Amino acid sequence: GESVGLHLPTLSVQEGDNSIINCAYSNSASDYFIWYKQESGKGPQFIIDIRSNMDKRQGQRVTVLLNKTVKHLSLQIAATQPGDSAVYFCAENNNFGNEKLTFGTGTRLTIIP
Amino acid sequence: KAGVTQTPRYLIKTRGQQVTLSCSPISGHRSVSWYQQTPGQGLQFLFEYFSETQRNKGNFPGRFSGRQFSNSRSEMNVSTLELGDSALYLCASSYRSRSPLETSGELFFGEGSRLTVL
Repeated sequence: GESVGLHLPTLSVQEGDNSIINCAYSNSASDYFIWYKQESGKGPQFIIDIRSNMDKRQGQRVTVLLNKTVKHLSLQIAATQPGDSAVYFCAENNNFGNEKLTFGTGTRLTIIP
Repeated sequence: KAGVTQTPRYLIKTRGQQVTLSCSPISGHRSVSWYQQTPGQGLQFLFEYFSETQRNKGNFPGRFSGRQFSNSRSEMNVSTLELGDSALYLCASSYRSRSPLETSGELFFGEGSRLTVL
């Protein structure tokens, strides 16, 4: 079946440094990928998305890279801040506009002051 | 604009009981989906509703059901509760039209309803 896996369950980064969170997916038919951030006691919050016809997309301090050849997705956060501490999930589906997302297991990012 | 509102936020039930959770989507959003989040299984898709019709369903037993009303508000029900149903139940809404060109892929999640089954 489909699966989405994150490479590291936890990641600690010094404040101000850049962080990279990686994710692997198994479904070749996946055509839409999203990164979510979940803070303690809250629901997931949309960060950035990318469709399969792109290999890079940038937002404010965040960049998502997609490598369809090796089915790999990464989220780069530049100049990390304490407020970036959270659990980050990658998610995918194979039909854009279809709300049935398959989520990865999450990486807990801790920013060290 | 108000976000997705879920009620109740916390509840405790015993095995065998049933529970109904409610979700009010963002105004203008007609698609509502539900997810279950547990430490062991992570976030898992339950079902999605659009214009009062269930469009997708995840791999959950028939004890899990839902519905959507004409005002886009949604409820999910779990009958004959089991200990393993203890979880955070998340509702998400999205703007979705019948035209893919007008559809946004972004899901807006509520803060969830935390269910504990004793």
